[in-house]
Amino acid sequence: GIQVEQSPPDLILQEGANSTLRCNFSDSVNNLQWFHQNPWGQLINLFYIPSGTKQNGRLSATTVATERYSLLYISSSQTTDSGVYFCAPYGGGGLTFGKGTHLIIQP
Amino acid sequence: EPEVTQTPSHQVTQMGQEVILRCVPISNHLYFYWYRQILGQKVEFLVSFYNNEISEKSEIFDDQFSVERPDGSNFTLKIRSTKLEDSAMYFCASSLWDRQETQYFGPGTRLLVL
Repeated sequence: GIQVEQSPPDLILQEGANSTLRCNFSDSVNNLQWFHQNPWGQLINLFYIPSGTKQNGRLSATTVATERYSLLYISSSQTTDSGVYFCAPYGGGGLTFGKGTHLIIQP
Repeated sequence: EPEVTQTPSHQVTQMGQEVILRCVPISNHLYFYWYRQILGQKVEFLVSFYNNEISEKSEIFDDQFSVERPDGSNFTLKIRSTKLEDSAMYFCASSLWDRQETQYFGPGTRLLVL
């Protein structure tokens, strides 16, 4: 099956900082989603982005399908952005989740 | 905005007992899924369901597991004889008409097997 690698595994930033999270995947995909898992364990859908660039407020995402990677940008971080960010491409079967990036935003 | 809902939010059971986790997918969605996340680990796909039958399943989804759409709104995951290692968060998801579309996740059921 498809392999997914996310980096960095952990990231600690001060409030107001910007960050870039990366997701590499091993095969071509027709769907890729980014999720934020909040401290209560809920998976919040951030983007559906099989290719191209999308923006939603302080967050944006870019997927370059031909080079098999996706990036999530978080600007002007807030403490509520803390949590785990998962990349999940669909390569047959269900979504294949990476191990995630654990982001901590300090006040 | 329509949401996927799951009940119960938490369940504690004894090893060997049967549990049924319930989900109400978004009403006009046609594809349904179950995923699980063992504490501290990544989310793993279990099964997808379309047109009243399983369309795909992972190696995790063995004979201990079954899924059912008992009526027009509910989608259930049954674990026949729970094991300690079944302790996890179980997520239900649905998508509109294709597995490659956006999958919307419910809030999860946290299952603890003692």
